[in-house]
Amino acid sequence: EIVLTQSPATLSLSPGERATLSCRASLSVGIYLAWYQHKPGQAPRLLIYDASNRATGIPARFSGSGSGTDFTLTISSLEPEDFALYYCQQRRNWPLTFGGGTKVEI
Amino acid sequence: EVQLLESGGGLVQPGGSLRLSCAASGFTFSDYVMTWVRQAPGKGLEWVSTISGSGDKTYYADSVKGRFTISRDISENTLYLQMNYLRVEDTAVYYCAKDRTTATTYWFDPWGQGTLVTVSS
Repeated sequence: EIVLTQSPATLSLSPGERATLSCRASLSVGIYLAWYQHKPGQAPRLLIYDASNRATGIPARFSGSGSGTDFTLTISSLEPEDFALYYCQQRRNWPLTFGGGTKVEI
Repeated sequence: EVQLLESGGGLVQPGGSLRLSCAASGFTFSDYVMTWVRQAPGKGLEWVSTISGSGDKTYYADSVKGRFTISRDISENTLYLQMNYLRVEDTAVYYCAKDRTTATTYWFDPWGQGTLVTVSS
């Protein structure tokens, strides 16, 4: 099983600041990594797929980078609605796995 | 507009059974891989099971293999998760999700709002 480790667990920032979230895989996943945003009581939302492609309707302030075992989600300038939980997910191997999440808080 | 609406959650005793449904609309249901993902209280997301568009291929997390069965009714545009021999640790919000494209990417987009399953005596 490919283990995804996200860091930090919590990121405390202010609106307008830049957020940098990390996801590290225990084995290479190539570019087969996605990022999701999840707010309490809501459905998770796909942000980035194949490491760096923005999903439909996702603002340009969200960007993804990386390949192999090290990946980054960057939010260039935090908006109030961006404070949420963020998860990475790999599809390189079964079972599909998620990281433990990073909470971006004010 | 794509819509996914889960139902069937509730309170069940350990060892009991429950069947979750996910009513899909706004897309050609048989063209897309569908998946169940859960989130236990205070925990992160956990992939549970995936089914191919035609229903002939299914995949399960080890934690549910042999106890849960994923299926789909193409005529009813509905995804199911039959859960047997439920354990306390199966307590979670269960989400259904559609594959991002017809090309089977195993990226989940969009997701339903979820249905809560509580396993407790």
